[in-house]
Amino acid sequence: AQSVTQPDIHITVSEGASLELRCNYSYGATPYLFWYVQSPGQGLQLLLKYFSGDTLVQGIKGFEAEFKRSQSSFNLRKPSVHWSDAAEYFCAVGRYTGTASKLTFGTGTRLQVTL
Amino acid sequence: GAVVSQHPSRVICKSGTSVKIECRSLDFQATTMFWYRQFPKQSLMLMATSNEGSKATYEQGVEKDKFLINHASLTLSTLTVTSAHPEDSSFYICSASQGGIQYFGAGTRLSVL
Repeated sequence: AQSVTQPDIHITVSEGASLELRCNYSYGATPYLFWYVQSPGQGLQLLLKYFSGDTLVQGIKGFEAEFKRSQSSFNLRKPSVHWSDAAEYFCAVGRYTGTASKLTFGTGTRLQVTL
Repeated sequence: GAVVSQHPSRVICKSGTSVKIECRSLDFQATTMFWYRQFPKQSLMLMATSNEGSKATYEQGVEKDKFLINHASLTLSTLTVTSAHPEDSSFYICSASQGGIQYFGAGTRLSVL
């Protein structure tokens, strides 16, 4: 069974500073990997995804993530954080079932941005 | 594109009543939709997979008679919480799948008094 670990429950960064959110996964085959962001009381918005190909993927809002098979990691990065980035971030691994990709989520990392 | 609408956003009901939550894919057709439950400050727990025209597949530990799922069309899935009790109070989120990606609704906050 697949699993996702997000080691950091809560991270605080200053506005303008760089950000890296860690994600490690366990999956027997080539994974589909996702990062989603959730604002309080809202659903999830897709930031970026990795299916195959280039291991450095670009997403929305200036985010990027790098797939490292040797480390089973898919860390999320942003060079300069904005106050509006404060939210909960979820990493997920997908298992294709034939009709859709069934997701397993990590426990999430809450990002706080100080001005 | 890939917009998922979930309604209502918030519902308060009395214990013993049933509540229906709708999940619609607005600009695409979704053979498969998913229903999740999220407890405060926790991750999403998959409750069931909803397939158009067939019975939903429930995750282990989820009561299928309590959480009724209907996926009658390619753009609509509904979750009915039957005989709701205070312990069913939670944040319920749906998603619709397109191209291997899940697009999420904004969620429904259910409070059972």
